[in-house]
This record gives sequence, C-alpha cells and structure tokens, in this order.
Amino acid sequence: NAGVTQTPKFRVLKTGQSMTLLCAQDMNHEYMYWYRQDPGMGLRLIHYSVGEGTTAKGEVPDGYNVSRLKKQNFLLGLESAAPSQTSVYFCASVGHPLFGILTSGRPHNEQFFGPGTRLTVL
Amino acid sequence: KNEVEQSPQNLTAQEGEFITINCSYSVGISALHWLQQHPGGGIVSLFMLSSGKKKHGRLIATINIQEKHSSLHITASHPRDSAVYICAVRSDTGNQFYFGTGTSLTVIP
Repeated sequence: NAGVTQTPKFRVLKTGQSMTLLCAQDMNHEYMYWYRQDPGMGLRLIHYSVGEGTTAKGEVPDGYNVSRLKKQNFLLGLESAAPSQTSVYFCASVGHPLFGILTSGRPHNEQFFGPGTRLTVL
Repeated sequence: KNEVEQSPQNLTAQEGEFITINCSYSVGISALHWLQQHPGGGIVSLFMLSSGKKKHGRLIATINIQEKHSSLHITASHPRDSAVYICAVRSDTGNQFYFGTGTSLTVIP
C-alpha cells in the first residue's frame, strides 16, 4: 500500500514548455485534488475530481488542465509553462465522507497527500 | 476571502512548553483536519474531527462546531515538533477543502 505517489519529484522547465504531473493512489479513493503551495500562502486548489471521468475547477485553475481517466490516477497538465507556475505541487486523495475505515485502520475520509513536486519555470 | 484563519502565524517555544494553535472557519463543514508539514517535507494528517476532542500522544485537538473554532494543543513540546501546522476544513458538500496559511512552530531545546 503505497498511499499517494507523485511523479516527478523535481522538474525545471523553460517558459512555454509543457509537462504532465502524475498522481496515483491505491486506496480506492473517490476524491482527488491538485494543490499548489507558495511561500506565505496556504495550499490553493487548482482542480479536483469527485470520481473517475469527472473534473472540476478549483480556486486557481488558469494555465492548468487535468484528467481522471482511471480512478487511481489524476493527471495535471501545464500546456505552456509560465514563471508564475513555479511552485510546489501537492496531490491529495480522500475517500467519501460517509464511508468508514480502510483496511489499514485509518479512516476512509482522512486526507492523504503525495510527497510533492517542486517545479521551477525559467 | 479566507475561509480558514489560523493564529498565530509563527510561534517559538521552549522545550517542554504547552502550545496552542487556533483555527477559525467561516463555512459549513463536514470535518476539520489538522495537518503537519516539516521543512521541505510532505504533508501528513494528524487529526480529522467533526465534534468533540481527539488525543494522540502529546497532541490534542478540539472543535467547537457552534463557534466554528478548533484548537490544536501540544503538551510537553519537543524540538521534533518543529513544523508547520495547517488547519483544513472539508466543505459540507464533501467536495472541497479549504486551508489556513499554517502556523510555523519552532521548539528550542
């Protein structure tokens, strides 16, 4: 049980380049989120998904796209990277608020975070 | 607008001190989470609560739903407790989370 994994862990892009960040979870969670974390600010929601095949915009969606073709994966894409997208990106997943306990003993509706991706856009 | 407010922003304590971090929120919630983030590290969930009080080791979390307020207490603080503590609430629709900006705690030996 790996929890939530993110790839890559680090990346440096030039302005205008594109890339995709992959988030994977093995807890059968319905909800998945992409956040960015910038100095002095709280985590800000970019996009989220409440189930396979569904996505929705968060607080700061501009310049990003997402896809959730499989329940366990949530992809974040940057089509044309900009220096303002330099940040640390966290993926998170959580189960349905009404569900109970995972086999690990942790509550199904506890939020699990990936280790983060540090992205620099030059 | 900030749906979640934390205080203080920064906190320095001597080892052994009792620490309190406060969180107030303005939206309807289904649960409140306390998270911990070490410098350069990932984010881990400490507590998830929707009422009352929870205790895990030296950490205690309380929530008052009527007052829309939660506190995180650390008893007998230790340098390894130095981290950023983040309050987050899950919306009552269950779809979104809102985060405070975090409280940076430094415990001096």
